[in-house]
Amino acid sequence: DGGITQSPKYLFRKEGQNVTLSCEQNLNHDAMYWYRQDPGQGLRLIYYSQIVNDFQKGDIAEGYSVSREKKESFPLTVTSAQKNPTAFYLCASSIGRGLNEAFFGQGTRLTVV
Amino acid sequence: AQKITQTQPGMFVQEKEAVTLDCTYDTSDPSYGLFWYKQPSSGEMIFLIYQGSYDQQNATEGRYSLNFQKARKSANLVISASQLGDSAMYFCAMSLSGGSYIPTFGRGTSLIVHP
Repeated sequence: DGGITQSPKYLFRKEGQNVTLSCEQNLNHDAMYWYRQDPGQGLRLIYYSQIVNDFQKGDIAEGYSVSREKKESFPLTVTSAQKNPTAFYLCASSIGRGLNEAFFGQGTRLTVV
Repeated sequence: AQKITQTQPGMFVQEKEAVTLDCTYDTSDPSYGLFWYKQPSSGEMIFLIYQGSYDQQNATEGRYSLNFQKARKSANLVISASQLGDSAMYFCAMSLSGGSYIPTFGRGTSLIVHP
């Protein structure tokens, strides 16, 4: 079955640590996105990539980093510079060209302890 | 710049009745797409329905329909014959042809269906 897989589902981090959230897709999509979701805030774009080896900052990129070395993979690293990292993180992908819907993973809930 | 506004933080509806979830948008791009997604308590986002800016007719998908009023820049979701399983968060989103097709989301509406 085609889809997007995010792991882990739950993640706990100590303050000062970097953590990496995994996102893998087998839909052959060119575009991939990372969103952060906080209660009452909707989804806010962190980073996006429209092609392998290229990515762009979204609206709230500070304290985050990404890579896109393979078409299927778009990992997100939450660095110690992110002041308030506790949130629900959603990865998505789309064909990238044209007005097409995005497909989402099941999300990763990150908690700083 | 593009903006999506959902003014209803929460909505309640009786089972088997219809409910309308509001969404207004703002863009100067003539070519855009409007999407609705459902997010149950499990967290994943489920695509429901799509409306293109040049589409002449309102989109429909089963019990979901989109009331598209282009002049008023509104794209309301109508759910007919509500079911208990419709209880979830609902997000309106927009993509622009001139914006690299990146989806922008509203803040969402929480829908609770009462038996």
